[in-house]
Amino acid sequence: GAVVSQHPSWVICKSGTSVKIECRSLDFQATTMFWYRQFPKQSLMLMATSNEGSKATYEQGVEKDKFLINHASLTLSTLTVTSAHPEDSSFYICSARLTGANVLTFGAGSRLTVL
Amino acid sequence: AQSVTQLDSHVSVSEGTPVLLRCNYSSSYSPSLFWYVQHPNKGLQLLLKYTSAATLVKGINGFEAEFKKSETSFHLTKPSAHMSDAAEYFCVVSVIMFSGGYNKLIFGAGTRLAVHP
Repeated sequence: GAVVSQHPSWVICKSGTSVKIECRSLDFQATTMFWYRQFPKQSLMLMATSNEGSKATYEQGVEKDKFLINHASLTLSTLTVTSAHPEDSSFYICSARLTGANVLTFGAGSRLTVL
Repeated sequence: AQSVTQLDSHVSVSEGTPVLLRCNYSSSYSPSLFWYVQHPNKGLQLLLKYTSAATLVKGINGFEAEFKKSETSFHLTKPSAHMSDAAEYFCVVSVIMFSGGYNKLIFGAGTRLAVHP
């Protein structure tokens, strides 16, 4: 079946540094990938929609300069949290849509802790 | 606008008893609805989906959900709970983004299911 891999699964960084999270579709091509943020004991909030070869579409209230998204290939999207601060600590989850299908596969998530 | 409301933030059942997780939706057109499960510190797994075919949808692990348009509900049920069912469950509606030619998912707040021996 379709598998989406996220890396790293967890990361701890100092305040002010930037962190990159990768989302890969391992055995299928994904024209569209989604990035979600999940605070402890809360639901998933869509941050942005990433389309291969074009700029990401950010949801209202999400700072595009803070959360840089790159979707350079049909199997890879990256989320870079720039100048991370403790309030950016969260669980980030990506999902990928099989090109031409209405099926989403989720990654296992990446837990970011900013000290 | 499309949205989902999960009526219970926590549900606790005994092993072997039925499970009912409630979800109401709001949609201006015929919705696509999903139930996902999330185990601690893990990603999401699709349990089942409704896409305007049969109103009673059977999913994995013995779960099923019934789409009731008159009640705008999509409740998740299982006849007999197992300890391994303890997790967070999300009711989700799919929103069509006509301009982008794709769908995006709107998640409910989640229901935490606890299963006691």
